[in-house]
Amino acid sequence: NAGVTQTPKFRILKIGQSMTLQCTQDMNHNYMYWYRQDPGMGLKLIYYSVGAGITDKGEVPNGYNVSRSTTEDFPLRLELAAPSQTSVYFCASSYPTSGDATQYFGPGTRLLVL
Amino acid sequence: AQKITQTQPGMFVQEKEAVTLDCTYDTSDPSYGLFWYKQPSSGEMIFLIYQGSYDQQNATEGRYSLNFQKARKSANLVISASQLGDSAMYFCAMREQSTGNQFYFGTGTSLTVIP
Repeated sequence: NAGVTQTPKFRILKIGQSMTLQCTQDMNHNYMYWYRQDPGMGLKLIYYSVGAGITDKGEVPNGYNVSRSTTEDFPLRLELAAPSQTSVYFCASSYPTSGDATQYFGPGTRLLVL
Repeated sequence: AQKITQTQPGMFVQEKEAVTLDCTYDTSDPSYGLFWYKQPSSGEMIFLIYQGSYDQQNATEGRYSLNFQKARKSANLVISASQLGDSAMYFCAMREQSTGNQFYFGTGTSLTVIP
């Protein structure tokens, strides 16, 4: 049982480049989330999805796009990378039919935009 | 207004002592959940403990307990018998049913356990 996996673990981008951060979960969770964590800060929600084909914006969606074609996958797309997008990105999933359903996090992707 | 407030950027505790990490929250939703996560220097997020808004008793998980004061809207994490491995960032989070089960995180508290 792999849980939540993210690729790549680390990436350096030049300004203006694009990339896709991959996220896959094998727990059949319907909810998936993308967060960014800036140095010394908490997590801020970028986008989330409550099921395949449904996505919604979080607190900081500008500069990002997502899609959810399957229950398992929730990729995050950066179209025109900017230095302000230098951060650690976490994907998470949950199955919140019960109140105590926590989020399970992937190991994170460290992104540096130069 | 911040949904989750953690006012202690950094805390120190002597090994084997207990420590309390503060968390206050803001919501008008009667149904919500409160969570604590640990983030060691390796970076992964580890779930520690959960408290539901309707729970009558404080949650406990091993050396972790949650001091839930609903009227004060506080959900402090208590770590008993601190160990060197407890040195990490600790995040308080809330999930509201009314906002589609989004999670809101605080800015975290850095805990250092001193031998």
